[in-house]
Amino acid sequence: DIQMTQSPSSLSASVGDRVTITCRASQGIDRFLNWYQQKPGKPPKLLIYTTSTLQSGVPSRFSGSGSGTDFTLTISSLQVEDFATYYCQQSYSSLISFGHGTKVDIK
Amino acid sequence: QVQLVESGGGVVQPGMSLRLSCAASGFTFSSYAMHWVRQAPGKGLEWVAVISYDGSNKYYADSVKGRFAISRDTSKNTLYLQMNSLRAEDTAVYYCASVPTTAAPDWGQGTLVTVSS
Repeated sequence: DIQMTQSPSSLSASVGDRVTITCRASQGIDRFLNWYQQKPGKPPKLLIYTTSTLQSGVPSRFSGSGSGTDFTLTISSLQVEDFATYYCQQSYSSLISFGHGTKVDIK
Repeated sequence: QVQLVESGGGVVQPGMSLRLSCAASGFTFSSYAMHWVRQAPGKGLEWVAVISYDGSNKYYADSVKGRFAISRDTSKNTLYLQMNSLRAEDTAVYYCASVPTTAAPDWGQGTLVTVSS
């Protein structure tokens, strides 16, 4: 099974900050990596799929990069509505797997 | 547009059974593998099971292997999760999802399963 390691597990940031979250796969997954945002009581919301494709309706301040085993989600200028938990997920294997999440809260 | 609507959640006692359903619409259900993913209260996302597009292959997380069974009915565009021998640690919101390798995934809103005496 493919293990996904996400870091940091949490971070505090201010509105306007540039935020970077990383995700590392235990083996190469090409570019089959998705990113989700989740707020309390809500289902995960897809932000980015196949590493860098922005889901329709998602603001352009979100971007993704990487390939193989190392991936990054970047929020270029953090907004109030971006305070949430973020998860990466690999779809290289039929047995999909998730990172443990990164909680982004207000500094 | 794609819609995935889960149902069947509720409160059950340990050792009991429950069947979840996921009604799919807006896409060719018979062409896609389908997953169940769960999230325990205050915890992260955990993959539970997957079934191939034609139902011929099924895989399970170790935590549910031998207790849960995934199935699909293409004529009804519906995905199922039969959950037997439920334990307190199975308490979670259960989501059905389509997670294609090269296209955008789609998720339902989830259904809550609470296992408690």
